[in-house]
Amino acid sequence: NAGVTQTPKFQVLKTGQSMTLQCAQDMNHEYMSWYRQDPGMGLRLIHYSVGAGITDQGEVPNGYNVSRSTTEDFPLRLLSAAPSQTSVYFCASSTLGQGSAIAKNIQYFGAGTRLSVL
Amino acid sequence: SQQGEEDPQALSIQEGENATMNCSYKTSINNLQWYRQNSGRGLVHLILIRSNEREKHSGRLRVTLDTSKKSSSLLITASRAADTASYFCATLRRLRSGGSNYKLTFGKGTLLTVNP
Repeated sequence: NAGVTQTPKFQVLKTGQSMTLQCAQDMNHEYMSWYRQDPGMGLRLIHYSVGAGITDQGEVPNGYNVSRSTTEDFPLRLLSAAPSQTSVYFCASSTLGQGSAIAKNIQYFGAGTRLSVL
Repeated sequence: SQQGEEDPQALSIQEGENATMNCSYKTSINNLQWYRQNSGRGLVHLILIRSNEREKHSGRLRVTLDTSKKSSSLLITASRAADTASYFCATLRRLRSGGSNYKLTFGKGTLLTVNP
């Protein structure tokens, strides 16, 4: 069971380039999310999705796009990379319980993508 | 803004000692979770405590939750060098009553170093 798989592990971009960070999970989780982690800032939520065709913004969505065409995949797109987007990016997934079941949600994280924008 | 704030930011102890980390938050929550991150790796879930629970144990981990003070603590007993990692609290809050959307907000973490 692979869990949450992120590719690539490392990426270097030039300012203005575009790229897509891939995230796939094989646990049939409805909820998927993207975080960025910067020194001294903890994890900040970029975008999240509660199911195929449904996405929403997190704390720091500017400069990033997402889509969710299948339950398994949740790619994160940088349309025009900027040095401020240099960070480590984590994808996570979980079940989406309703009512009292929401109190049991835990996140499964991928290994991360380390991105440098020059 | 960060919902959870861990304290201290860094903690260094000797093997065999207990380590206590604290987390404070600002709004009502459905549950509070603690995660561990080894250097260069993804986060791994450690323990979850629901808003109607006050204390929970899992192996050498003990978590308490005080919703009146909006705070939680994580105690690691008999620490080992392998416990060296960053520890994050995360608060989960349902966005709409009865709905399934929720928001999980992480703090900045406590870096724990356990010296052999």
